[in-house]
Amino acid sequence: DSGVTQTPKHLITATGQRVTLRCSPRSGDLSVYWYQQSLDQGLQFLIHYYNGEERAKGNILERFSAQQFPDLHSELNLSSLELGDSALYFCASSVAQGGDTEAFFGQGTRLTVV
Amino acid sequence: QKEVEQDPGPLSVPEGAIVSLNCTYSNSAFQYFMWYRQYSRKGPELLMYTYSSGNKEDGRFTAQVDKSSKYISLFIRDSQPSDSATYLCASRSGGSQGNLIFGKGTKLSVKP
Repeated sequence: DSGVTQTPKHLITATGQRVTLRCSPRSGDLSVYWYQQSLDQGLQFLIHYYNGEERAKGNILERFSAQQFPDLHSELNLSSLELGDSALYFCASSVAQGGDTEAFFGQGTRLTVV
Repeated sequence: QKEVEQDPGPLSVPEGAIVSLNCTYSNSAFQYFMWYRQYSRKGPELLMYTYSSGNKEDGRFTAQVDKSSKYISLFIRDSQPSDSATYLCASRSGGSQGNLIFGKGTKLSVKP
């Protein structure tokens, strides 16, 4: 168990809908990273938050947004869902915001858009 | 060219074999290198973490980094069926840019 908790584990929703994925980082970790994993693209970096502030953006669609709350948990919001958004969504956490720190992943949320 | 390239395999070996998994990277700013193991439908699990060139050993696992050729390797000795998983290499630059850039992963199968 990495100590990173993601909910829900599975989510099935229809096209056009909006969903929220939740991540609780390991105790003491200030950084949260979100990744999308699909079969053909591998793990793609979406966004990074450190202590409540956005630090870096990757290949995140405008329909997606995220935030990190004062208690350091993070939420990834996906709206106007399309079939192609079906994927595994992972969050990872680390103590610091970069450099010489390890990153630990949660078990992921499997999103299926029908 | 992707920043981190990894042969997706699949790679199938007999139990007890030495496994060599490899990645190349293109970004000279990358300073930190990690190997993750991912079982089917599970989250990636951190296996090895290295900073400098050279070897780092942990039990049956050895991570090797050659920064001059931008080459990252993971060796698994005495491979076991429980090692069957997808192995992901990842790199990150120094400073506050903390996001990891991943290879696509190599699927390994160790046959009893």
